[in-house]
Amino acid sequence: AQSVAQPEDQVNVAEGNPLTVKCTYSVSGNPYLFWYVQYPNRGLQFLLKYITGDNLVKGSYGFEAEFNKSQTSFHLKKPSALVSDSALYFCAVRALTDSWGKFQFGAGTQVVVTP
Amino acid sequence: DTAVSQTPKYLVTQMGNDKSIKCEQNLGHDTMYWYKQDSKKFLKIMFSYNNKELIINETVPNRFSPKSPDKAHLNLHINSLELGDSAVYFCASSQDLPGGYNEQFFGPGTRLTVL
Repeated sequence: AQSVAQPEDQVNVAEGNPLTVKCTYSVSGNPYLFWYVQYPNRGLQFLLKYITGDNLVKGSYGFEAEFNKSQTSFHLKKPSALVSDSALYFCAVRALTDSWGKFQFGAGTQVVVTP
Repeated sequence: DTAVSQTPKYLVTQMGNDKSIKCEQNLGHDTMYWYKQDSKKFLKIMFSYNNKELIINETVPNRFSPKSPDKAHLNLHINSLELGDSAVYFCASSQDLPGGYNEQFFGPGTRLTVL
């Protein structure tokens, strides 16, 4: 069975400081990994994904994520956070073993960026 | 143009009623999904259709019945509504294959409140 863990319910950071949102996963076989962001009263928006290749993936709005196979992690990062980055962030994994593998989402991490 | 749209945006109803939520996507995708997001923001997949065929059917009460008249539409009908059905329901779509890695596009959500 596949699973995703986001160990922090909330991350607080001051504007201009680096932002990191943690994600670890467990799958049988190779994973596809995704990050989505949800603003209040909105649907989820895709930020970036890891499929294969370079472990550092760049995405929308200045976000990037690093795939670490040995630590089974896929942490989301932004060098300099903005107040507008305050939102709920979801990590998701899809295993390659199933024919129609479903996306497994983490519980979400609320990011609060203060001015 | 809205890529994935849902109607209605809000739905308030009494216990025991039957209601439907509609979803349409104009992205030309072949796979559509229904997710339920509970009050703690936890996101859980309910159903997925590929080219009008059911491919994912999670452990969902049989009071929930999805219907896909064509690959651009996926509706959700709920019979005998219960208090625990109160949640935000998200529709999503993607261009998918078995073992695929394409991201999903989410609708704005339908907030269902059962009184």
